[in-house]
Amino acid sequence: GQSLEQPSEVTAVEGAIVQINCTYQTSGFYGLSWYQQHDGGAPTFLSYNGLDGLEETGRFSSFLSRSDSYGYLLLQELQMKDSASYFCAGGAGKSTFGDGTTLTVKP
Amino acid sequence: DVKVTQSSRYLVKRTGEKVFLECVQDMDHENMFWYRQDPGLGLRLIYFSYDVKMKEKGDIPEGYSVSREKKERFSLILESASTNQTSMYLCASSSAHSGTSQETQYFGPGTRLLVL
Repeated sequence: GQSLEQPSEVTAVEGAIVQINCTYQTSGFYGLSWYQQHDGGAPTFLSYNGLDGLEETGRFSSFLSRSDSYGYLLLQELQMKDSASYFCAGGAGKSTFGDGTTLTVKP
Repeated sequence: DVKVTQSSRYLVKRTGEKVFLECVQDMDHENMFWYRQDPGLGLRLIYFSYDVKMKEKGDIPEGYSVSREKKERFSLILESASTNQTSMYLCASSSAHSGTSQETQYFGPGTRLLVL
Protein backbone atom coordinates (compact mmCIF):
# COMPACT_ATOMS: atom_id res chain seq x y z
CA GLY A 1 0.00 0.00 0.00
CA GLN A 2 0.87 3.64 -0.06
CA SER A 3 0.80 6.11 2.82
CA LEU A 4 2.39 9.47 3.50
CA GLU A 5 2.63 11.03 6.93
CA GLN A 6 2.95 14.73 7.59
CA PRO A 7 2.20 16.96 10.59
CA SER A 8 -1.35 18.27 10.75
CA GLU A 9 -0.49 21.84 11.76
CA VAL A 10 2.48 24.19 11.81
CA THR A 11 2.58 27.80 13.02
CA ALA A 12 5.33 30.32 12.30
CA VAL A 13 5.83 34.08 12.21
CA GLU A 14 6.28 36.28 9.20
CA GLY A 15 9.85 36.31 7.92
CA ALA A 16 10.75 33.01 9.57
CA ILE A 17 11.70 29.66 8.02
CA VAL A 18 9.50 26.61 8.37
CA GLN A 19 10.05 22.97 7.42
CA ILE A 20 7.20 20.56 6.72
CA ASN A 21 8.24 16.93 6.87
CA CYS A 22 6.80 14.00 4.97
CA THR A 23 7.59 10.34 5.58
CA TYR A 24 6.23 7.73 3.25
CA GLN A 25 5.65 4.08 2.63
CA THR A 26 4.83 3.51 -0.99
CA SER A 27 5.41 0.70 -3.42
CA GLY A 28 6.99 1.52 -6.77
CA PHE A 29 7.78 5.01 -5.60
CA TYR A 30 8.83 7.41 -8.36
CA GLY A 31 9.18 10.78 -6.70
CA LEU A 32 7.72 13.21 -4.18
CA SER A 33 5.59 16.20 -5.10
CA TRP A 34 4.39 19.10 -3.02
CA TYR A 35 1.16 21.03 -3.48
CA GLN A 36 -0.23 24.16 -1.90
CA GLN A 37 -3.92 24.72 -1.30
CA HIS A 38 -5.44 27.94 -0.04
CA ASP A 39 -8.74 27.81 1.77
CA GLY A 40 -11.53 27.31 -0.76
CA GLY A 41 -9.12 26.83 -3.66
CA ALA A 42 -7.71 23.93 -5.63
CA PRO A 43 -4.28 22.39 -4.95
CA THR A 44 -1.50 23.89 -7.03
CA PHE A 45 1.84 22.27 -7.77
CA LEU A 46 4.89 23.61 -5.93
CA SER A 47 7.77 21.23 -6.38
CA TYR A 48 8.84 17.75 -7.46
CA ASN A 49 11.83 15.63 -6.38
CA GLY A 50 12.58 12.73 -8.68
CA LEU A 51 16.09 12.29 -7.33
CA ASP A 52 17.62 12.53 -3.88
CA GLY A 53 18.69 15.98 -2.86
CA LEU A 54 17.45 19.51 -2.74
CA GLU A 55 15.35 21.34 -5.33
CA GLU A 56 15.08 25.11 -4.98
CA THR A 57 12.39 27.30 -6.45
CA GLY A 58 12.56 30.84 -5.12
CA ARG A 59 11.58 30.94 -1.45
CA PHE A 60 10.54 27.28 -1.52
CA SER A 61 12.86 24.28 -1.46
CA SER A 62 12.09 20.59 -1.34
CA PHE A 63 14.28 17.70 -0.29
CA LEU A 64 14.10 13.95 -0.81
CA SER A 65 16.01 11.06 0.71
CA ARG A 66 14.90 7.73 -0.73
CA SER A 67 17.02 5.71 1.68
CA ASP A 68 15.17 7.32 4.59
CA SER A 69 11.77 7.39 2.84
CA TYR A 70 11.64 11.02 3.84
CA GLY A 71 11.23 14.43 2.34
CA TYR A 72 10.50 17.96 3.38
CA LEU A 73 9.32 21.28 2.09
CA LEU A 74 11.21 24.33 3.29
CA LEU A 75 9.59 27.74 3.14
CA GLN A 76 11.82 30.74 3.70
CA GLU A 77 11.03 34.39 4.38
CA LEU A 78 7.49 33.48 5.27
CA GLN A 79 4.74 35.80 4.15
CA MET A 80 1.15 36.01 5.32
CA LYS A 81 0.02 34.70 1.94
CA ASP A 82 1.88 31.45 2.62
CA SER A 83 -0.84 30.51 5.10
CA ALA A 84 -2.36 27.49 3.41
CA SER A 85 -2.43 23.70 3.48
CA TYR A 86 0.55 21.84 2.05
CA PHE A 87 0.35 18.29 0.77
CA CYS A 88 3.08 15.85 -0.09
CA ALA A 89 2.21 13.29 -2.73
CA GLY A 90 3.98 10.27 -4.11
CA GLY A 91 3.54 6.90 -5.66
CA ALA A 92 3.77 5.09 -8.93
CA GLY A 93 1.83 6.86 -11.63
CA LYS A 94 -1.21 7.62 -9.56
CA SER A 95 -0.24 9.71 -6.58
CA THR A 96 -1.26 9.16 -3.01
CA PHE A 97 -1.59 12.37 -1.02
CA GLY A 98 -0.74 12.96 2.60
CA ASP A 99 -3.49 14.39 4.78
CA GLY A 100 -1.99 17.86 4.53
CA THR A 101 -0.27 20.31 6.86
CA THR A 102 -2.05 23.53 7.71
CA LEU A 103 0.50 26.34 7.93
CA THR A 104 -0.50 29.46 9.80
CA VAL A 105 1.76 32.47 9.42
CA LYS A 106 1.37 35.08 12.14
CA PRO A 107 2.49 38.70 11.99
CA ASP B 1 -2.00 28.23 -20.03
CA VAL B 2 -2.92 24.97 -18.36
CA LYS B 3 -6.59 24.59 -17.73
CA VAL B 4 -8.84 22.05 -16.03
CA THR B 5 -12.49 22.97 -15.75
CA GLN B 6 -15.32 21.36 -13.83
CA SER B 7 -18.95 21.69 -14.79
CA SER B 8 -20.20 23.15 -11.51
CA ARG B 9 -18.69 24.90 -8.52
CA TYR B 10 -21.66 24.12 -6.27
CA LEU B 11 -24.29 21.44 -6.57
CA VAL B 12 -27.22 20.44 -4.38
CA LYS B 13 -28.86 17.06 -4.95
CA ARG B 14 -31.30 14.81 -3.13
CA THR B 15 -30.64 11.34 -1.81
CA GLY B 16 -31.11 8.74 -4.53
CA GLU B 17 -30.54 11.11 -7.44
CA LYS B 18 -28.06 10.27 -10.17
CA VAL B 19 -25.32 12.89 -10.28
CA PHE B 20 -22.89 13.67 -13.08
CA LEU B 21 -19.73 15.66 -12.48
CA GLU B 22 -17.87 16.66 -15.62
CA CYS B 23 -14.21 17.53 -16.00
CA VAL B 24 -12.47 18.84 -19.10
CA GLN B 25 -8.76 19.51 -19.64
CA ASP B 26 -7.17 21.29 -22.55
CA MET B 27 -3.57 20.07 -22.13
CA ASP B 28 -3.86 16.82 -24.11
CA HIS B 29 -3.01 14.91 -20.93
CA GLU B 30 -3.32 11.15 -20.90
CA ASN B 31 -4.03 10.79 -17.19
CA MET B 32 -7.11 12.07 -15.41
CA PHE B 33 -8.17 11.68 -11.79
CA TRP B 34 -11.14 12.17 -9.51
CA TYR B 35 -10.61 12.89 -5.82
CA ARG B 36 -12.83 13.79 -2.95
CA GLN B 37 -11.62 16.02 -0.18
CA ASP B 38 -13.09 16.08 3.30
CA PRO B 39 -11.84 18.03 6.32
CA GLY B 40 -8.96 16.25 8.02
CA LEU B 41 -8.84 13.48 5.42
CA GLY B 42 -6.80 15.06 2.67
CA LEU B 43 -7.40 14.05 -0.93
CA ARG B 44 -8.67 10.55 -1.51
CA LEU B 45 -8.52 9.03 -4.97
CA ILE B 46 -11.83 7.71 -6.29
CA TYR B 47 -10.98 6.68 -9.86
CA PHE B 48 -8.38 7.45 -12.45
CA SER B 49 -7.88 6.89 -16.15
CA TYR B 50 -4.71 6.42 -18.18
CA ASP B 51 -6.35 6.60 -21.56
CA VAL B 52 -9.63 6.89 -23.38
CA LYS B 53 -12.10 4.20 -22.32
CA MET B 54 -9.73 3.00 -19.61
CA LYS B 55 -10.40 3.33 -15.91
CA GLU B 56 -8.85 2.12 -12.70
CA LYS B 57 -10.27 2.07 -9.20
CA GLY B 58 -8.66 4.31 -6.67
CA ASP B 59 -8.82 4.01 -2.91
CA ILE B 60 -12.55 4.70 -2.43
CA PRO B 61 -14.48 3.69 -5.60
CA GLU B 62 -17.60 2.39 -3.87
CA GLY B 63 -20.73 4.26 -4.89
CA TYR B 64 -19.05 5.89 -7.89
CA SER B 65 -18.42 5.13 -11.52
CA VAL B 66 -16.57 7.01 -14.26
CA SER B 67 -16.61 7.48 -17.99
CA ARG B 68 -13.87 8.56 -20.37
CA GLU B 69 -15.14 8.57 -23.92
CA LYS B 70 -12.85 11.38 -25.09
CA LYS B 71 -9.29 12.16 -24.06
CA GLU B 72 -10.12 15.60 -22.72
CA ARG B 73 -13.20 14.64 -20.70
CA PHE B 74 -13.53 12.53 -17.56
CA SER B 75 -16.91 12.17 -15.88
CA LEU B 76 -17.67 11.05 -12.35
CA ILE B 77 -21.08 9.49 -11.78
CA LEU B 78 -22.86 8.96 -8.50
CA GLU B 79 -25.42 6.32 -9.40
CA SER B 80 -27.60 6.98 -6.35
CA ALA B 81 -26.39 9.89 -4.26
CA SER B 82 -26.21 9.46 -0.51
CA THR B 83 -25.62 11.99 2.25
CA ASN B 84 -22.18 10.56 2.98
CA GLN B 85 -21.14 11.63 -0.52
CA THR B 86 -21.45 15.27 0.46
CA SER B 87 -17.94 16.50 -0.19
CA MET B 88 -15.61 18.58 -2.35
CA TYR B 89 -14.81 16.78 -5.59
CA LEU B 90 -11.60 17.61 -7.38
CA CYS B 91 -10.60 16.59 -10.87
CA ALA B 92 -6.97 16.57 -12.00
CA SER B 93 -4.93 15.68 -15.06
CA SER B 94 -1.29 14.86 -15.73
CA SER B 95 1.00 13.81 -18.53
CA ALA B 96 1.72 10.12 -19.04
CA HIS B 97 5.41 10.34 -18.23
CA SER B 98 5.66 8.80 -14.80
CA GLY B 99 8.83 9.25 -12.86
CA THR B 100 9.44 12.78 -14.03
CA SER B 101 8.19 16.18 -13.09
CA GLN B 102 5.50 15.62 -15.70
CA GLU B 103 3.75 13.64 -13.02
CA THR B 104 2.58 17.05 -11.85
CA GLN B 105 -1.15 17.07 -11.49
CA TYR B 106 -3.18 20.08 -12.51
CA PHE B 107 -6.39 20.49 -10.60
CA GLY B 108 -9.74 21.93 -11.49
CA PRO B 109 -11.45 24.41 -9.15
CA GLY B 110 -13.53 21.70 -7.50
CA THR B 111 -17.23 20.98 -7.15
CA ARG B 112 -18.77 21.30 -3.73
CA LEU B 113 -21.61 18.75 -3.63
CA LEU B 114 -24.29 18.74 -0.99
CA VAL B 115 -26.59 15.72 -0.84
CA LEU B 116 -29.75 16.30 1.16
